Amino acid sequence: DAGVTQSPTHLIKTRGQQVTLRCSPKSGHDTVSWYQQALGQGPQFIFQYYEEEERQRGNFPDRFSGHQFPNYSSELNVNALLLGDSALYLCASSKTGGTEAFFGQGTRLTVV
Amino acid sequence: AQRVTQPEKLLSVFKGAPVELKCNYSYSGSPELFWYVQYSRQRLQLLLRHISRESIKGFTADLNKGETSFHLKKPFAQEEDSAMYYCALDLDGSSNTGKLIFGQGTTLQVKP
Repeated sequence: DAGVTQSPTHLIKTRGQQVTLRCSPKSGHDTVSWYQQALGQGPQFIFQYYEEEERQRGNFPDRFSGHQFPNYSSELNVNALLLGDSALYLCASSKTGGTEAFFGQGTRLTVV
Repeated sequence: AQRVTQPEKLLSVFKGAPVELKCNYSYSGSPELFWYVQYSRQRLQLLLRHISRESIKGFTADLNKGETSFHLKKPFAQEEDSAMYYCALDLDGSSNTGKLIFGQGTTLQVKP
């Protein structure tokens, strides 16, 4: 089991563009959560997906959206990129009734 | 409002010295708290959870509801403990559903 995998590992985009980040959960996990980690800060919860629906959302604008597929993998989309969106984006997967969320290595997004 | 505060950005100790990483929280219900660790070039991983009352790698953490604290302690620090430590609170108040609020993190540096 490769654990939680995220792609790509690094990405450079221009202001105003759109970006899609991908996450494959750990085998057997059905829930995916996304986090944004700015430099020097702790991860901030963006939203969580379960059964292909957004279950809960943190304090992020509608420019941030997501999707979960029937195989439980997930995408994070960010529209109209701002310089302040530059961060490490982390994906975490968990199992309903489980006791631990497992994190991926993250995608480093740089907006120029 | 739900919040996790780690007042120290950096804690530097000598090998063999005791360690205490501070964490305070704000939560209206019954909190579920965790410590996550990130070693150099590795992904974020769960160190311990308060509900388990366990000791992992010599670390323990006690929930003090009166002081709203969940400090991480180890009696004798080892060089391999050097890492970034994050205190986290589950938004659902349940066992690590993946919806977490993180503190800003404390870098622990153990000097030889």
